[in-house]
Amino acid sequence: GQNIDQPTEMTATEGAIVQINCTYQTSGFNGLFWYQQHAGEAPTFLSYNVLDGLEEKGRFSSFLSRSKGYSYLLLKELQMKDSASYLCAAMDSNYQLIWGAGTKLIIKP
Amino acid sequence: GAVVSQHPSWVICKSGTSVKIECRSLDFQATTMFWYRQFPKQSLMLMATSNEGSKATYEQGVEKDKFLINHASLTLSTLTVTSAHPEDSSFYICSARVGGRDTGELFFGEGSRLTVL
Repeated sequence: GQNIDQPTEMTATEGAIVQINCTYQTSGFNGLFWYQQHAGEAPTFLSYNVLDGLEEKGRFSSFLSRSKGYSYLLLKELQMKDSASYLCAAMDSNYQLIWGAGTKLIIKP
Repeated sequence: GAVVSQHPSWVICKSGTSVKIECRSLDFQATTMFWYRQFPKQSLMLMATSNEGSKATYEQGVEKDKFLINHASLTLSTLTVTSAHPEDSSFYICSARVGGRDTGELFFGEGSRLTVL
């Protein structure tokens, strides 16, 4: 079956760095997405990886290893507004997104 | 980025009534839109894929007669929850993909929170 695993909740300190991991098992693979979702709001796109390696975009970076079925989202210089849920989603061979349950990130002062 | 607008943001209705939710792509044409529902503290659950000019493709376990989807134009898809019951109370979100199916990025509407009394 198809499956996405990511931690349920993480806590970090303002100004620090946090890494949110995601492992996936899909029928075929056409890329890995990260979305941010604040409570009560719709998700917003953060990143898309289809090739192995690290993609950096400002304070956020995303890494992919296709051979390991593994990705992580790295958030640097954490700000209070980064408190949100972070959703990992893998696109399968039919271009369907398989969503993880999300990681709730709590930022403490 | 592209803008997807969803309306209404909040709706409260009585059990047994029908509710229509609209999803519009404001600055691009979307041949395909997606409808999700999300329960508290859970991930998005794809309900159906809405295709302009043809019937929607529903995911397994989603009642097509209860959740009516119409995609009459390239910028509008509607989801109608018919004969709503309290268990239909949820956060409903639509999204659309810009470009072809392999370009990836989805743009989401603001979501519609439905409460059925």
